[in-house]
Amino acid sequence: AQKVTQAQTEISVVEKEDVTLDCVYETRDTTYYLFWYKQPPSGELVFLIRRNSFDEQNEISGRYSWNFQKSTSSFNFTITASQVVDSAVYFCALSEAVKAGLIFGKGTKLSVKP
Amino acid sequence: SQTIHQWPATLVQPVGSPLSLECTVEGTSNPNLYWYRQAAGRGLQLLFYSVGIGQISSEVPQNLSASRPQDRQFILSSKKLLLSDSGFYLCAWGGGGLVPYEQYFGPGTRLTVT
Repeated sequence: AQKVTQAQTEISVVEKEDVTLDCVYETRDTTYYLFWYKQPPSGELVFLIRRNSFDEQNEISGRYSWNFQKSTSSFNFTITASQVVDSAVYFCALSEAVKAGLIFGKGTKLSVKP
Repeated sequence: SQTIHQWPATLVQPVGSPLSLECTVEGTSNPNLYWYRQAAGRGLQLLFYSVGIGQISSEVPQNLSASRPQDRQFILSSKKLLLSDSGFYLCAWGGGGLVPYEQYFGPGTRLTVT
């Protein structure tokens, strides 16, 4: 069965610290897609990144970077030099097919204090 | 560019009353459409998805139903609300086809059943 685990329920850091959000997934399919979303206090889910199972290249976008490792079934998200505006709930998600929609982890609430 | 609208933004309804939530997408054709619910302490759960007009698939048996009367319109309904229907309802759209690319979410409807 498909499953996404975000073991960190809440993380609190001080501004400018680096922080890594962990995501571990389970799937039996060889083709699948992984995602990260950000949910600020307003509630709307904001898409951050998609990764295909056949592309293990890590990605960097500004202060954000993602580390995809199939060997450990992990897709971790690092924010470098965190800022107060990064405070939000972050969700990792998995999809194997259109009909399955997105399978979300329970989210990690990140609080960045000034 | 594509935009997704949901209304109402908030709703307070008594138990046993009917429900109708509407979602519309602009700037794209033949999208896949999804309804998710985010209940306190239960994460994000896929309720319905649609790959075309009149084509609805349900992921979770419950007293809710969905309809897609037009290509870019998705409606979530209930004849009689239960207390357990309270939550944050999110509509999302994704590219049409069979590849589960990223989904883009609307602003959500916060429903409180009293």
